[in-house]
Amino acid sequence: GDSVTQMEGPVTLSEEAFLTINCTYTATGYPSLFWYVQYPGEGLQLLLKATKADDKGSNKGFEATYRKETTSFHLEKGSVQVSDSAVYFCALSSTDSWGKFQFGAGTQVVVTP
Amino acid sequence: EAGVVQSPRYKIIEKKQPVAFWCNPISGHNTLYWYLQNLGQGPELLIRYENEEAVDDSQLPKDRFSAERLKGVDSTLKIQPAELGDSAVYLCASSPLGQGTGELFFGEGSRLTVL
Repeated sequence: GDSVTQMEGPVTLSEEAFLTINCTYTATGYPSLFWYVQYPGEGLQLLLKATKADDKGSNKGFEATYRKETTSFHLEKGSVQVSDSAVYFCALSSTDSWGKFQFGAGTQVVVTP
Repeated sequence: EAGVVQSPRYKIIEKKQPVAFWCNPISGHNTLYWYLQNLGQGPELLIRYENEEAVDDSQLPKDRFSAERLKGVDSTLKIQPAELGDSAVYLCASSPLGQGTGELFFGEGSRLTVL
């Protein structure tokens, strides 16, 4: 079945540091890929998405590129802020399992001043 | 536009007691999901509705869990009786019908503690 594997946290960074969170997936069909973010005390919200190979999703300075050859969708940000402290979830939804989303375990990111 | 509304936000009960969670999705969203989120893990699907029909309940423990979405709008998830292992966050999400692989909109979740 479909699955998502992402790097374990917590990831602790200083402000303005470069952030990478690795995400790889296994899927049948043609998956769409997502990054969701959960800020403290809030619900999950979509950060960015990509629906086909080589697409790049971007939002709030974050980027992720859909790499079919490596089955990866790594999240990056060039200069993090304290406000980026949150839990980040990689997810996929495959055409073979329409409407069903598979989430990774989440990666907690802590950004210190 | 109001987001997905869940209640209660927090619930503490003793084991073997019943508990119910309520969710009101975004207006016009025909697809509604209930997810279970254990500490340090990602959301896991319990049940998915398309309007009032449960189209995927394969992961719902039907011996103690039940859900309904009678008029295809708001939904209730019930646990009876609750067990210690049910302590978790119960998330509700919705999306417009036909999005397939589109975006999910989540509520803030209902945190259950079973003592």
